[in-house]
Formats: sequence, structure tokens, C-alpha cells
Amino acid sequence: ETGVTQSPTHLIKTRGQQVTLRCSSQSGHNTVSWYQQALGQGPQFIFQYYREEENGRGNFPPRFSGLQFPNYSSELNVNALELDDSALYLCASSRDGHGYTFGSGTRLTVV
Amino acid sequence: AQTVTQSQPEMSVQEAETVTLSCTYDTSESDYYLFWYKQPPSRQMILVIRQEAYKQQNATENRFSVNFQKAAKSFSLKISDSQLGDAAMYFCAYLPEDSNYQLIWGAGTKLIIKP
Repeated sequence: ETGVTQSPTHLIKTRGQQVTLRCSSQSGHNTVSWYQQALGQGPQFIFQYYREEENGRGNFPPRFSGLQFPNYSSELNVNALELDDSALYLCASSRDGHGYTFGSGTRLTVV
Repeated sequence: AQTVTQSQPEMSVQEAETVTLSCTYDTSESDYYLFWYKQPPSRQMILVIRQEAYKQQNATENRFSVNFQKAAKSFSLKISDSQLGDAAMYFCAYLPEDSNYQLIWGAGTKLIIKP
């Protein structure tokens, strides 16, 4: 049974650019959640996808968007990057919302 | 708004001793779940223990146990026989029953284990 895999592990982008982060769900999981964890803080919920549909969203602007694919893998896209977007982005998968498994995150630095 | 507060930014304990990490939360809900997660330097969030609010019995997982006080909205984690591998950030998280699975997190407590 494979766990949750996120890519890339680290990324440096320039303010104003766009970025795509990827997440492969654990086998058998149909739900993916994304969280933003700023340095020294707890994670903040961005959104969740269940069977390719967004079914929950936190307090993040529309320039944060996502996709879930038929194999339940997922992407997080962020447009018009700002310095405050620098953070660790965590992906978590679950089956029907029960028992989250987290990946090791993508560290995004915006300069 | 539902919030989770961890008032101890950092705690230290001697190896083999017991330490308790504090967590309080604010909610008007009656049904919810509470979690403690561990985040080592590898950055992956690892579930330590889970508590359902409707259960009065405190959850335990080997050396880890909780003291769940629903009326006081308190959810502390006790680690017995601390080991060097327990060193990490510990996060308390709250999940409302009808939230579409949106976890609400505290700011974390850094646990240092002294050999």
C-alpha cells in the first residue's frame, strides 16, 4: 500500500508567477484535502475534492484552484504568486473523509 | 468561529519521563472529533491519537493517552516514557461532524526530548 506522494518537494518561484503542485493519493482513497502551513503555524485548510468535485473550501482567494483526476490524484494551482504564499503545502487523502494520510509536503518559496 | 489553542509553544522533557501537552478548543457543536498529530522534521503529519466527542472514555495508543474534558473544551496529550524519537512538533486538531472534513488546527507545540 503506497502512501501519499507530493511533488516537487521544494520549489522557488518569483512573485507574479503561477505554480502547480501535485499529489498522488493513497491507494483506495477517493478524497484529497490541501492545506497551507506557514512557518511556525498550524495548517490552514485550502479546499477538498471528493470524486473529482470540490466539496469544501477554506478562506482562500480564487487564485488558489485545484483539480482531482479520475485516479484521485490532485493538483493545486496558485496564480499571481505573492510573497505571503511562501509556505509548506500539505496534501492529505482519505476514503470518504475517514482517516487522513498526509504527504510530506511541498515547500514553496516566493521571492 | 471554531478555534484551537495550544498555549505551550515549546516543552522539554527528560528521556523516559512523562510530559503533557495542552490543547483547548472553542465550539458550539456537540458532535466532533479531536486529534493529535506529530510533525517530525520530515514534515509529514502523523496521526498520534483520535477522540470522538461522544465517547466519554479517553483514547489511548500505547504510550500516548489523552485527557478529554468536553465541558471544559480541553484535550491534553500525555506521553509516557518519552523517547528520543518523540521529538517533533505536535498539533492538536478539531474536526466538526458536518464540516466536509475541514480540520481546524492549533499553532503547535515543539517537544524537545533531553537525553
